[in-house]
Amino acid sequence: QVQLVQSGADIKKPGASLRVSCEASGYTFTGHFIHWVRQAPGHGLEWMGRINPHTGGTRLAQTFQGRVTMTRDTSSNTAYMELNWLTSDDTAVYFCARGAATHYMDVWGTGSTVTVSS
Amino acid sequence: QSALTQPPSASGSPGQSVTISCTGTNGDFGGYNYVSWYQQRPGYAPKLMIFEVNKRPSGVPDRFSGSKSGNTASLTVSGLQAEDEADYYCTSYAGSNNLLLFGGGTKVTVL
Repeated sequence: QVQLVQSGADIKKPGASLRVSCEASGYTFTGHFIHWVRQAPGHGLEWMGRINPHTGGTRLAQTFQGRVTMTRDTSSNTAYMELNWLTSDDTAVYFCARGAATHYMDVWGTGSTVTVSS
Repeated sequence: QSALTQPPSASGSPGQSVTISCTGTNGDFGGYNYVSWYQQRPGYAPKLMIFEVNKRPSGVPDRFSGSKSGNTASLTVSGLQAEDEADYYCTSYAGSNNLLLFGGGTKVTVL
């Protein structure tokens, strides 16, 4: 079955970078976008951007441009999201999700909890 | 672009219907019928319930339906069941720098 398995929980210090992985299985990895969405504690969902695993091309939400890098490794069917210059506001659960099309996501990852604290 | 506007809460008794609105601007919807809805239960990842305004993925009960008029999209849950208690989020494809916008979410309570 289609699955997206993400990396585990992490704790980071302010100013550091985080890297979350998202390993896909059960479908052709290069055939679907991977979106990244985050959710701060007690808050709603926030779209961060997407990557086309076939080309490596990315589109990022304006909020994250200059601070987020999305990459992929087609040999391991894994997408990565790196966020730099962390602050406490980046404490959140980070989700990857498969794009059934550019405009919606049909399968979601397990979520990766990241806590930013000194 | 700001998040789409949803009411923070909605409620209904079992068997009743509840409708959640999702309001944006012309730019937020980008002229496309690319509105989707996600259900999120506490501690779980979101689940796709509706895509392209009114289409249901396989496995989603037909109690869930979507519509759109002008700059407002709506999700209706008919025949409310206890398992429908969750947060619901709308998204739209804006077609510009912020390609996908989320609504702030609506907590649905089954009384």
